[in-house]
Amino acid sequence: DTGVSQDPRHKITKRGQNVTFRCDPISEHNRLYWYRQTLGQGPEFLTYFQNEAQLEKSRLLSDRFSAERPKGSFSTLEIQRTEQGDSAMYLCASVGGRVETQYFGPGTRLLVL
Amino acid sequence: GDSVTQMEGPVTLSEEAFLTINCTYTATGYPSLFWYVQYPGEGLQLLLKATKADDKGSNKGFEATYRKETTSFHLEKGSVQVSDSAVYFCALSLHYNAGNNRKLIWGLGTSLAVNP
Repeated sequence: DTGVSQDPRHKITKRGQNVTFRCDPISEHNRLYWYRQTLGQGPEFLTYFQNEAQLEKSRLLSDRFSAERPKGSFSTLEIQRTEQGDSAMYLCASVGGRVETQYFGPGTRLLVL
Repeated sequence: GDSVTQMEGPVTLSEEAFLTINCTYTATGYPSLFWYVQYPGEGLQLLLKATKADDKGSNKGFEATYRKETTSFHLEKGSVQVSDSAVYFCALSLHYNAGNNRKLIWGLGTSLAVNP
């Protein structure tokens, strides 16, 4: 069990550019969540996958955001045409079996200039 | 809608002091309740949880009791250490419709600094 990993850990980009983040969950965890956390706030739910199916998307997830989990293992979160308001920490969590505990990765910190 | 309210920080204590961080919730069903901790430079870690009324979660000297009558889940520790300095988040989860989705609803976090 190597834990949840996220890549990159930090990303600086210019407004209007596209960025993609990757999350590798704990192996055999079939459920995966993306959250966003801004400074001084708690995380906010973005989207949920069960295996490869994206079953819920938050209203926070505008059409510039897309997430995939093509083989039910790793997941990617892409932001197109980034805006300064997208600057935040993007967190991934995975869950396996019948337990509820979500295991979090270290996050990807995005700064849009 | 479902929400979590926790006391604002920062909280500054001396080593060995008693800690309480208040957390109350609003939920349409019967949530599970969690405390997560975020140490400087690290990811969120589950500290403790409780899944039904009157359950007590405990870990590393921290405790919290699920109080349905007051919709609360206050975090306590009898004697804090410098190493407890971190941000503490209270959160709830409910069973939402979409395929066993139990997304977490979070409080704003409470920063704790413990001085030697």
